[in-house]
Amino acid sequence: DAKTTQPNSMESNEEEPVHLPCNHSTISGTDYIHWYRQLPSQGPEYVIHGLTSNVNNRMASLAIAEDRKSSTLILHRATLRDAAVYYCILRKLGSQGNLIFGKGTKLSVKP
Amino acid sequence: KAGVTQTPRYLIKTRGQQVTLSCSPISGHRSVSWYQQTPGQGLQFLFEYFSETQRNKGNFPGRFSGRQFSNSRSEMNVSTLELGDSALYLCASSLLGQQETQYFGPGTRLLVL
Repeated sequence: DAKTTQPNSMESNEEEPVHLPCNHSTISGTDYIHWYRQLPSQGPEYVIHGLTSNVNNRMASLAIAEDRKSSTLILHRATLRDAAVYYCILRKLGSQGNLIFGKGTKLSVKP
Repeated sequence: KAGVTQTPRYLIKTRGQQVTLSCSPISGHRSVSWYQQTPGQGLQFLFEYFSETQRNKGNFPGRFSGRQFSNSRSEMNVSTLELGDSALYLCASSLLGQQETQYFGPGTRLLVL
C-alpha cells in the first residue's frame, strides 16, 4: 500500500471547522482513501472513505484533490468529543483484511 | 446490533507466561483481524482470519498465534511473554475482509511484568 503523510498534531477551537490534511503523492488509481479515528481509550472507528469525488456523511466531509495526491478531512464544527488521533489510510481495490496505520494526526479541541 | 467485544479488558502477566485473548465479532461478520498498539510502534497488523483460516499475517514472531472458530469468534495467543509484548491488542471485524469498513473492539490492555 502507498504511504501517507500527516501532521503530527493540530489544534482547533470548539465549534469551529477543522481541516485535517493528508498527502499521498504515490497513490495509484485503484487506491481508496480511508479515514479512521481513535478516541482516547477506545479502538479506532471508521470516519469516511472516497476514491475520486468529494464525499459527505454525518460525521465529516472528505475533499480529494483533482490529482488525488492529497486529501482533506473536514469536521464542520469540532466538538470536544472530536479530540482523537485521525488516521489517513490508503486501501487498494480488492485488498483483503488489514489496514496499514501511520502515526496519524492528534487533534486537540479547545473549549 | 452488538459491537465487537473483547475479553478480558485488562490483563497482567509475568515474563515467560502465555496469554489468550478473545474476540467476538459483530454478528454476521466473517473476517477478524488482530492489531497490536504500542506507543513506540503504533498500530501494527498481526493477522487476519476468515472462515476459520488465517488469510494474512503481519511481521510478528511465531510466539503470536491465533485461531478462528466456526461461529467466527477468534482467539489470539502469545506464548513466552516478553516485556515488549505489553500493549493494547485490538480486534476488528468486517463482513468479508475486503474493502468494507472494519469495526474495532475496545481492546485488551496487556501488561507484562
